[in-house]
Amino acid sequence: DAGITQSPRYKITETGRQVTLMCHQTWSHSYMFWYRQDLGHGLRLIYYSAAADITDKGEVPDGYVVSRSKTENFPLTLESATRSQTSVYFCASRGGRTPYEQYFGPGTRLTVT
Amino acid sequence: ILNVEQSPQSLHVQEGDSTNFTCSFPSSNFYALHWYRWETAKSPEALFVMTLNGDEKKKGRISATLNTKEGYSYLYIKGSQPEDSATYLCAFCSEAAGNKLTFGGGTRVLVKP
Repeated sequence: DAGITQSPRYKITETGRQVTLMCHQTWSHSYMFWYRQDLGHGLRLIYYSAAADITDKGEVPDGYVVSRSKTENFPLTLESATRSQTSVYFCASRGGRTPYEQYFGPGTRLTVT
Repeated sequence: ILNVEQSPQSLHVQEGDSTNFTCSFPSSNFYALHWYRWETAKSPEALFVMTLNGDEKKKGRISATLNTKEGYSYLYIKGSQPEDSATYLCAFCSEAAGNKLTFGGGTRVLVKP
């Protein structure tokens, strides 16, 4: 009954370090998304994936890299973390092509010092 | 970049009172409009997905209407209760954007006992 999980839940890292945020879903949903929470902007899409090995940029992709080798996992990597990437990151998933609702993970609070 | 605006940004409601707030979005290339409820320290949860002009959805004391021709949706809370305190997000999906959602900044509702 896991649904969609994210790890770690909290992370502190230094500027310039590489950090990877993990997202795992158990529903076999084809679509997965990464958002960041920004004050005044609600949620902004970083990257999304329509299926394994298919990814595409969202609104704010710079500084991030994603991969999707398996349907259930969608890791997000910050190649060289900057302070502006301090945020809460949410992973989400949904199934099908019709406009179904997205299901969100619990979030990862990332602080870049 | 699509412009999705929510107003007001925040509002205080007395317990038992009804309230409503607005989401405005582009009136062209409409595909779907989502509403999410986001409690503090939790992840967003879907309330409604609306696809047709004139759509009305209801879940308990919360309802929503949709006008795709003029590009707005209203969310109504009838007889507000403290547990309705949350941020309510709307998200717009255009035909061109496919499965990507553009979120508004949210309306933060605080229901005072």
